[in-house]
Amino acid sequence: QVQLQESGPGLVKPSQTLSLTCTVSGGSISSGSYYWSWIRQPAGKGLEWTGRIYTSGRTNYNPSLKSRVAISVDTSKNQFSLKLSSVTAADTAVYYCAREDNWNWGLNYWGQGTLVTVSS
Amino acid sequence: DIQMTQSPSSLSASVGDRVTITCQASQDISNYLNWYQQKPGKAPKLLIYHASNLQTGVPSRFSGSGSGTDFTFTISSLQPEDIATYYCQQYDNLPYTFGQGTKLEIK
Repeated sequence: QVQLQESGPGLVKPSQTLSLTCTVSGGSISSGSYYWSWIRQPAGKGLEWTGRIYTSGRTNYNPSLKSRVAISVDTSKNQFSLKLSSVTAADTAVYYCAREDNWNWGLNYWGQGTLVTVSS
Repeated sequence: DIQMTQSPSSLSASVGDRVTITCQASQDISNYLNWYQQKPGKAPKLLIYHASNLQTGVPSRFSGSGSGTDFTFTISSLQPEDIATYYCQQYDNLPYTFGQGTKLEIK
């Protein structure tokens, strides 16, 4: 059974870079036809798709985040990562990593989520 | 971006009731729509994919229908464990977008 687990600092200062890692267990991150995704959710609000990386390394990002976002993968550690630069309080949210399967284009597996607060 | 509009935003119903949530897309998305259930403090869970297909292991009281711009999610007989917020999500175009959610409560 595939499991995902987010990790990273829970507090980031304004203008700094938010860095999160998602560790995948129960399967290789480099096998299969999957998109490894990040979704965020501000407290009490809805879900926002942040971006994804394919097993080939190809990435797609939400244009609302412009050039601030980068997603990468480390196959040796079975992890993928999110970096969001120049953060503000508006980036405070629970960040989820998830796996999107291209047989049903659904986000089938999710991490438990990690709260990141942007504050000085 | 494709805007997804859910209604109602909140809903109170009794155990055993039939519950219906609608989702409207700002443009034709064919049937490229998923439905998720999110319980408090938990990650979302995929219930329905491709508008009407039940994810493995999901009870048959959940169903989805629709195509184009108008979609419906139905719980045929509401159970206490169905208390959650439900989201639709389109995957026709990037960026993927979600509806604002429908919070379901027991009356």
